[in-house]
Amino acid sequence: QSALTQPASVSGSPGQSITISCTGTSSDVGTYNLVSWYQQHPGKAPKLMIYEVSKRPSGVSNRFSGSKSGNTASLTISGLQAEDEADYYCCSYAGSSTYVFGTGTKVTVL
Amino acid sequence: EVQLVESGGGLVQPGESLRLSCAASGFTFSSYWMSWVRQAPGKGLEWVANIRQDGSEKYYVDSVKGRFTISRDNAKNSLYLHMNSLRAEDTAVYYCARAWFHGGPFDYWGQGTLVTVSS
Repeated sequence: QSALTQPASVSGSPGQSITISCTGTSSDVGTYNLVSWYQQHPGKAPKLMIYEVSKRPSGVSNRFSGSKSGNTASLTISGLQAEDEADYYCCSYAGSSTYVFGTGTKVTVL
Repeated sequence: EVQLVESGGGLVQPGESLRLSCAASGFTFSSYWMSWVRQAPGKGLEWVANIRQDGSEKYYVDSVKGRFTISRDNAKNSLYLHMNSLRAEDTAVYYCARAWFHGGPFDYWGQGTLVTVSS
């Protein structure tokens, strides 16, 4: 049950694209297409942005997209906007009805 | 509108117990797996426990096994977390979250309740 590994911080200018990686193992990310991504603004509850690797819930901007290759999942934010500045967490189903979250990435809009 | 409202947090001493509650509304509570997720101050999210729709299956992160118990009362649309033998490292905001489907994402979250374990 070790946390998935994410970069501590990623930054970009408005309009640019950024990608956040999420590295797990063959026991979680590598086995299950059940990776989700959450956005969390300071003092707020997390918000689901991507599920099942690349699906977007209703109401989430299509600027957010997800993918996976092997044991690493990725979240890409295109057309970066000031409101995207937040912490982002990946999460994977890890089997036996358990989950593991990523270490979190702080996104800064320059 | 789906709502999850946690309560029961507070300041306790190491070794003491506490029970958190989560009141659910706006959806058929008995149809969903439910989880507790916590976040220590300034730290990341950590899945803590989850429970099947009928309460027949419960799972925990290793660090709380034997100390925490998740339960639910579908008649009251409520989720609980009984926390015993609390430690300083249990200090966190505890969120109640709904799993969209088994193994699936957490699509709704409460606002969280803060538990502080300190002497």
